[in-house]
Amino acid sequence: DTGVSQNPRHKITKRGQNVTFRCDPISEHNRLYWYRQTLGQGPEFLTYFQNEAQLEKSRLLSDRFSAERPKGSFSTLEIQRTEQGDSAMYLCASSPTGVTNEKLFFGSGTQLSVL
Amino acid sequence: GESVGLHLPTLSVQEGDNSIINCAYSNSASDYFIWYKQESGKGPQFIIDIRSNMDKRQGQRVTVLLNKTVKHLSLQIAATQPGDSAVYFCADGGNTPLVFGKGTRLSVIA
Repeated sequence: DTGVSQNPRHKITKRGQNVTFRCDPISEHNRLYWYRQTLGQGPEFLTYFQNEAQLEKSRLLSDRFSAERPKGSFSTLEIQRTEQGDSAMYLCASSPTGVTNEKLFFGSGTQLSVL
Repeated sequence: GESVGLHLPTLSVQEGDNSIINCAYSNSASDYFIWYKQESGKGPQFIIDIRSNMDKRQGQRVTVLLNKTVKHLSLQIAATQPGDSAVYFCADGGNTPLVFGKGTRLSVIA
């Protein structure tokens, strides 16, 4: 399977705990995106990388959220001190070159439930 | 605010009928649009795209129409099947990052 891979698929955690998600983009895709999606809503942009550089962060991304893409390949999204409002599907997507007018390829997401 | 928006949150269609999902956009300079399909528990999946130098583009059982005059696009699904049941999103591909609306949930009645 050469698509975008996300792990874990599901994560249940207690409020206040830290969680980390991983995304492996399509090989050689330069750009990697993180989105968040809650029930009944469309995906909301969080942040994106061009290779290892984080180019933009949404104001939705509070200080408790941090994303990395250290070698320009896989990426991690960490949420510290989770809150119930963090419960959502976290989606990763990648695109080949990052130019405008280019479609994104999405993974199946990580479903986070904060109890 | 949103740069693209679906007209109806839900759509129910009889199996075998054609489905039409509509979307409006606000940026007259937008020149690339993408339709995604999202099935339950999965990420959005690319269906079809269209650039502004075209009015119509056809895929397998799907057609996208673009009306730049009224800033409207539609996704038509021919002979709708149960497997078409999903949420459909239009996105303005001229933006980085892509901005999604709330989507339209298509339910196929057997």
